[in-house]
Amino acid sequence: DAGVTQSPTHLIKTRGQQVTLRCSPISGHKSVSWYQQVLGQGPQFIFQYYEKEERGRGNFPDRFSARQFPNYSSELNVNALLLGDSALYLCASSLGTGNGDEQFFGPGTRLTVL
Amino acid sequence: GEDVEQSLFLSVREGDSSVINCTYTDSSSTYLYWYKQEPGAGLQLLTYIFSNMDMKQDQRLTVLLNKKDKHLSLRIADTQTGDSAIYFCAEPPSSGTYKYIFGTGTRLKVLA
Repeated sequence: DAGVTQSPTHLIKTRGQQVTLRCSPISGHKSVSWYQQVLGQGPQFIFQYYEKEERGRGNFPDRFSARQFPNYSSELNVNALLLGDSALYLCASSLGTGNGDEQFFGPGTRLTVL
Repeated sequence: GEDVEQSLFLSVREGDSSVINCTYTDSSSTYLYWYKQEPGAGLQLLTYIFSNMDMKQDQRLTVLLNKKDKHLSLRIADTQTGDSAIYFCAEPPSSGTYKYIFGTGTRLKVLA
């Protein structure tokens, strides 16, 4: 069975542009979480979606948004990109049945903003 | 606060033991995690410990938990070059938040 997949692997954008990152969870998992990992730091929680609804949000500006589709895949959108948005964006899927479900991480999308 | 703190870097010789330390913040955490991140990859769950335990052993991994001091450690016995990676401790979400808190990460370098 495939693990969590993310696309694209790498992405280069310029300041002010918009970006969309994609994530497909493990089959049977209904929850997707997004994290931002800046170089040299631990992952920072952005969102969690469960059954297409947002049920958790970290301290990120409104430029960051996400959605989850009926097949439980998810997209993360970032508008008006800043240099500081350069990071590895990680997606994690879980069953979603409990607050502390084990999360399974994808390989990430590395975003570079020039 | 939400800071989960770790030392940034650890270097050991192959075959030696490695000890990675973590100080967490939420005393109500029911369990704590250790994740491993290899270069260019996502995070892999290594092990976890329930808060009612002091120690958990899993093959070469030993996790020690000191709840009084909010201190967690991961010991890797007989460290191999394949253990070179970044290790993160993590707290599960507080009730209703769904927000995992990760430490800053410790980069382990194993010298042959």
